[in-house]
Amino acid sequence: AQTVTQSQPEMSVQEAETVTLSCTYDTSENNYYLFWYKQPPSRQMILVIRQEAYKQQNATENRFSVNFQKAAKSFSLKISDSQLGDTAMYFCAFTGADGLTFGKGTHLIIQP
Amino acid sequence: NAGVTQTPKFRVLKTGQSMTLLCAQDMNHEYMYWYRQDPGMGLRLIHYSVGEGTTAKGEVPDGYNVSRLKKQNFLLGLESAAPSQTSVYFCASSYSTQYYGYTFGSGTRLTVV
Repeated sequence: AQTVTQSQPEMSVQEAETVTLSCTYDTSENNYYLFWYKQPPSRQMILVIRQEAYKQQNATENRFSVNFQKAAKSFSLKISDSQLGDTAMYFCAFTGADGLTFGKGTHLIIQP
Repeated sequence: NAGVTQTPKFRVLKTGQSMTLLCAQDMNHEYMYWYRQDPGMGLRLIHYSVGEGTTAKGEVPDGYNVSRLKKQNFLLGLESAAPSQTSVYFCASSYSTQYYGYTFGSGTRLTVV
């Protein structure tokens, strides 16, 4: 079975700082995809970034980037120049043969 | 382009009552899913469908039934609601199970008293 672990239930940083959210996963599959979703107070699930397991290059979307370590089964999210609007729950997710499996989430608070 | 639409957005039920949550997508996606979100638990898969007329159980299917009579609609039913079913329910759809990730609806907050 696929499992996704987010070890930081809550994090708080000052505006403009850089923050890294951790995620590890467990799978026996070789071909899969990893995602980070953002859930602001509005409750909407928003796709932040996606990574294909067969690609060695780390994905980047503007201020958001990932550090993908396939051998270690680690997939962390780095947010640069954090903004107040980044305050949200962040979910790491893995998709393989069993569909999309989520971690329990990290509540990120950006302080002014 | 509406994407994934869930109705209703909020609902309060009494224990033992029944209800149906409707999910509609206009992206011609084959795959559709129902998740529940509880504090500290992330999102857990209830049921899913890989195409019109198909359904399958997910991680937490007990107490729920689903139907996919039309490709664009996926219904989640609670036959006899229990307080343990108080949760936020999300519907999602996808073109495939993997690359594209999922498109989510805005959620339904259900309270069972």
